[in-house]
Formats: sequence, structure tokens, C-alpha cells
Amino acid sequence: AQKITQTQPGMFVQEKEAVTLDCTYDTSDPSYGLFWYKQPSSGEMIFLIYQGSYDQQNATEGRYSLNFQKARKSANLVISASQLGDSAMYFCAMREGKITGGYQKVTFGIGTKLQVIP
Amino acid sequence: GAGVSQSPRYKVAKRGQDVALRCDPISGHVSLFWYQQALGQGPEFLTYFQNEAQLDKSGLPSDRFFAERPEGSVSTLKIQRTQQEDSAVYLCASSPQGFYGYTFGSGTRLTVV
Repeated sequence: AQKITQTQPGMFVQEKEAVTLDCTYDTSDPSYGLFWYKQPSSGEMIFLIYQGSYDQQNATEGRYSLNFQKARKSANLVISASQLGDSAMYFCAMREGKITGGYQKVTFGIGTKLQVIP
Repeated sequence: GAGVSQSPRYKVAKRGQDVALRCDPISGHVSLFWYQQALGQGPEFLTYFQNEAQLDKSGLPSDRFFAERPEGSVSTLKIQRTQQEDSAVYLCASSPQGFYGYTFGSGTRLTVV
């Protein structure tokens, strides 16, 4: 089974509107973390937001928020007030296991291409 | 440096040629990862170092791929006898001990012709 599933190959959003990018995950490990990364056309992977499996509240970072629904194993990214510079690939990813010890292999989904329309 | 630095930015290799890709992580970052990203796909894990120790190389696709980090800082990913299917972007990432996120470099785009 895929560890990370992103079912939206491409999304369009009007500038200044909010958009939700879907992500579901599969793990039997009770300790895990979920990430979202942005990859613009330049190719660099930019860390956006992180949610730990034991975190009680949904993570927020500026215009980014992570809608974490543990029972449904979903970790959707919500971008509010979209900007033209938000046009990029967005990857959902998961770390499994405890972060102590330093080893945290992260598995990525196949990504969603977001295009912001003026 | 301030970020993860990778070189070269672009590499074109003839099939059968050996290549070496360099990653200079953020100073003091214990963990270093290599990922391979094919066109239109997400990054796929290749290998992981904790300081100079290669703790996981389960993602290396064949014995033509070799990675090292001899002094626990700069790392080199070497691909011997390159083949067309090796064409991809190779991403390096580093993180401090116990941190839950990576900082990625800009990647090396390898094209095998």
C-alpha cells in the first residue's frame, strides 16, 4: 500500500481564494510526523509545515494550516489567500518512528501541481 | 554555509560514464539524506548518513550507486556506468540531530544521453 496518497494531480485556484490540497497516509506506527513541502519550478524543496502524530492542535504557519484528521489518516494542506507565488508542486510526506536517535526517513507522495490564476 | 549546497547544478553524461554529485550540508547538521526525483514524481529515498556512518542504503537502486561522507560533512553520490534510467534530479537534504524536518538543496539534474 502507498504510504502517502495525493489524489489531485493538478489544482487551480483564484488569487486571494483559499485552497485545500488533499493527503492521506498509511502507517501502523503510533509515532509519526507529517510534512508539506513546496517545490517551485526552480526545483528546491521548501519546508512549509509539520504535524506530529501526538500534537493536539492542527499546525499553522502563516497562510498555511494542516487539517489533521487522525482517525481518517488525512493531513490536508490549506492555503489561505492564495498568491501568484504559490504556484508550484506541493508534496505531502511522512516520517515514521520516534525522532530521538536522529534517523527519520521521510516518504513523499507524488505531489499536486497548484496553479494560482490572477 | 547558510543552506545546503549541491554541485553541479546540471550534469549531462554519456551512457556508461561515471558521475559524482556533491552535497555540502548545513554546518553542524548530523543527518544527511540523498533522494532521487524522476520527472513528475515525488522524491524517492536513496540513502542516509548520520555523521560519517551510512546507516541506511536500502534505496540505492543498484550496485552502480555509491555514496560516502568520509568526514561527516560533505557527501558525494557516485553513479558508475550511467544509464538512461538514471536521469533524474538528485536531491540532498540535511537536518540537525533529533529535528523533524529537512533542509533541501537545489538538486543536481542529471541527464544521461
